[in-house]
Amino acid sequence: NAGVTQTPKFQVLKTGQSMTLQCAQDMNHEYMSWYRQDPGMGLRLIHYSVGAGITDQGEVPNGYNVSRSTTEDFPLRLLSAAPSQTSVYFCASSQRFFLTYRTDTQYFGPGTRLTVL
Amino acid sequence: DAKTTQPPSMDCAEGRAANLPCNHSTISGNEYVYWYRQIHSQGPQYIIHGLKNNETNEMASLIITEDRKSSTLILPHATLRDTAVYYCIVTLAGTASKLTFGTGTRLQVTL
Repeated sequence: NAGVTQTPKFQVLKTGQSMTLQCAQDMNHEYMSWYRQDPGMGLRLIHYSVGAGITDQGEVPNGYNVSRSTTEDFPLRLLSAAPSQTSVYFCASSQRFFLTYRTDTQYFGPGTRLTVL
Repeated sequence: DAKTTQPPSMDCAEGRAANLPCNHSTISGNEYVYWYRQIHSQGPQYIIHGLKNNETNEMASLIITEDRKSSTLILPHATLRDTAVYYCIVTLAGTASKLTFGTGTRLQVTL
């Protein structure tokens, strides 16, 4: 298994541009999520999905859209990039949303480092 | 979710045990303690989790006090590759997929 993969690894955008960060997993996981990590900070949840066709907002959803048309893919769209969205973005997945004791955990991708000028 | 308090940084000599503390005095009875680590801006990596009993796996041991208000992650024989930021997270099992990361403890393992 490749696990959780993210593309691109690095991206530079100008203010107002749009783009899509890609995330894919090959573990047949139901649950996928997006986090952002600003310098010196912990990760903050942006959006998450408990299955194909179902998405919901996390802690910091403004400026981002998501959709989940397949189990494998969970792209994150920046509609109009702003300098405040400069961050490292991590995608994560787990077998299911409700993790039972001893059975499961989240797996994180390697991250996409985004700079908005 | 209960809030956690961790020291911002710790040092450990290679080969020695690294003991990373975490305070979670407001933890409720159905909340678990999870530990993740992040090595040099890579994606976080799961280490271990527990409810009230001590737990051990191939990576680490988790010691939870009887009143569950604090816990300690133990890396029995730290290596340079264990240098990372370690996050202690308290969450309901039903929300273990929606993690709230604090700033963690930066562990520096030295020769």
